[in-house]
Amino acid sequence: GAVVSQHPSWVICKSGTSVKIECRSLDFQATTMFWYRQFPKQSLMLMATSNEGSKATYEQGVEKDKFLINHASLTLSTLTVTSAHPEDSSFYICSAFRDSEQYFGPGTRLTVT
Amino acid sequence: QKEVEQDPGPLSVPEGAIVSLNCTYSNSAFQYFMWYRQYSRKGPELLMYTYSSGNKEDGRFTAQVDKSSKYISLFIRDSQPSDSATYLCAMSTTQGGSEKLVFGKGMKLTVNP
Repeated sequence: GAVVSQHPSWVICKSGTSVKIECRSLDFQATTMFWYRQFPKQSLMLMATSNEGSKATYEQGVEKDKFLINHASLTLSTLTVTSAHPEDSSFYICSAFRDSEQYFGPGTRLTVT
Repeated sequence: QKEVEQDPGPLSVPEGAIVSLNCTYSNSAFQYFMWYRQYSRKGPELLMYTYSSGNKEDGRFTAQVDKSSKYISLFIRDSQPSDSATYLCAMSTTQGGSEKLVFGKGMKLTVNP
């Protein structure tokens, strides 16, 4: 199967600090990865599409200077939440696209205090 | 009106019951319809994938799409406690979600032994 991992699975940070979340495709190469955010009792919402070697494409309303995405290799994409605030507390999930399917990571729960 | 509407439940049924999960959508450009299962603290995993209107069966699961009514359903026969999870519908304008997936809120299902 296609396995996608995320690290860390859970992180608590103080307001104003930055947090980096890693998304890795463990057994396949993915030219396209996606970053989603899920607030409690809400839908998974796409934040951005990340293509290896090029700039990410952000969805409307997502601040690209706040959510920095780097897809430096075919197996790794990173999401950095800069100057995090309590309203950024959420569940962040990445997915990697292969063979007509998006494979999802287990998610990262971010809590900003 | 949201692009995809899904009753978030929760839904609790006895073991062996037939479960019916539904989503409606407003964007007629959606051509591909998916059901994902998400266990607590895990990423979504693809359960069923359909393209055209009609039914698709896989074991105890049947996915139904009615494009004229913009309505999709997932039926689970002989439900088991292991089916307890959150079920999300997702839709895309491109095959396999090579681009944006739009999700419903997810329905939390509990199957009681």
